[in-house]
Amino acid sequence: NAGVTQTPKFQVLKTGQSMTLQCAQDMNHEYMSWYRQDPGMGLRLIHYSVGAGITDQGEVPNGYNVSRSTTEDFPLRLLSAAPSQTSVYFCASSSTVPNTEAFFGQGTRLTVV
Amino acid sequence: GDSVTQMEGPVTLSEEAFLTINCTYTATGYPSLFWYVQYPGEGLQLLLKATKADDKGSNKGFEATYRKETTSFHLEKGSVQVSDSAVYFCALSDFYGGATNKLIFGTGTLLAVQP
Repeated sequence: NAGVTQTPKFQVLKTGQSMTLQCAQDMNHEYMSWYRQDPGMGLRLIHYSVGAGITDQGEVPNGYNVSRSTTEDFPLRLLSAAPSQTSVYFCASSSTVPNTEAFFGQGTRLTVV
Repeated sequence: GDSVTQMEGPVTLSEEAFLTINCTYTATGYPSLFWYVQYPGEGLQLLLKATKADDKGSNKGFEATYRKETTSFHLEKGSVQVSDSAVYFCALSDFYGGATNKLIFGTGTLLAVQP
């Protein structure tokens, strides 16, 4: 059971570089989301999607883009990395049935220098 | 807007001690409440949940009761083990009438259990 798979696990970027964090799930979940985890701030929602072709902004969307071309994949793009984007990023998926369990990937630790 | 407030950590306990982690929430609708746990180096996983007032969620010896009158969802365990050492997140999900399951998290509480 793969669940939610995130790659890479670790990444170091220079300021201004771009990169894509990959997220894939094999549970046929309609709802997928990206969070960032920072000390003392818990998890904050970046972007989410309720199905292929549909995305929306969360609490902290600036500096990030997403797309959802398939049910399985939900990549997160950093177009021009900044030190403020140093964080641990988590992808999650769930059914759209209300109040069901969200499944999380293992996270990507990103450092921007 | 909706929010979740958790007690700050770290919480350090000896094995077999009683655990309480406080969680209160603010919500405009009728939220469901969750506790997620994050073990070192891993993603979050659901520990327990409650979807309406007075419901009690329970799992692995942990319990939490949805108290609407005090807007609280405190996590308790009668006897902690070293293996319970992790970060615990309280969260809410308010069904906004659409097909979303947005979770709003507290800041997390680190629990360290010593043998």
